[in-house]
Amino acid sequence: DTGVSQNPRHKITKRGQNVTFRCDPISEHNRLYWYRQTLGQGPEFLTYFQNEAQLEKSRLLSDRFSAERPKGSFSTLEIQRTEQGDSAMYLCASSFGTGNQPQHFGDGTRLSIL
Amino acid sequence: GDSVTQMEGPVTLSEEAFLTINCTYTATGYPSLFWYVQYPGEGLQLLLKATKADDKGSNKGFEATYRKETTSFHLEKGSVQVSDSAVYFCALLDNYGQNFVFGPGTRLSVLP
Repeated sequence: DTGVSQNPRHKITKRGQNVTFRCDPISEHNRLYWYRQTLGQGPEFLTYFQNEAQLEKSRLLSDRFSAERPKGSFSTLEIQRTEQGDSAMYLCASSFGTGNQPQHFGDGTRLSIL
Repeated sequence: GDSVTQMEGPVTLSEEAFLTINCTYTATGYPSLFWYVQYPGEGLQLLLKATKADDKGSNKGFEATYRKETTSFHLEKGSVQVSDSAVYFCALLDNYGQNFVFGPGTRLSVLP
């Protein structure tokens, strides 16, 4: 069990640029989640995949955000035309099964918009 | 919608003190409840969980009991250590296993 891996750990970019983050879940986990966490707050749900299907998206996920999990393994989260308010820690988590299994989190990607 | 409320921090205690961090929730149905911990510079780690009413989750000396009548899941530890200093998040997973909701977190500082 190598854990959930996220890359990059840090991303600094100018406002208006596009960014893409990658998440590699624990290999046997079929569910994958993306969250956003700002300073002093708990993680806020963005979207969730079961295998390759994106089953739920939060209202927080504007049209500038898109997530994919093309082969049911790794996932990418892209933010287009970044804004100052996008600065946050982006967390990925994975879990196994369809029931009440806990999620295992990666260390996150910290995004800073200049 | 579902929500989780935690006591505001920061909480500052001396080593070996008793810890309680309150957590209450609002949810339809029968959610599962979790405590996660985030140490400085690290990702969230599962601390303990309870999946049905009256279940007690425990790990590393921490305990929490799922109280449906009071919709609570308070975290307790009898004797805290400096190494317990971290941010603690209460969370629920709805009974469909899809909606994971976190509280705002409570920062704990334990002084030697």
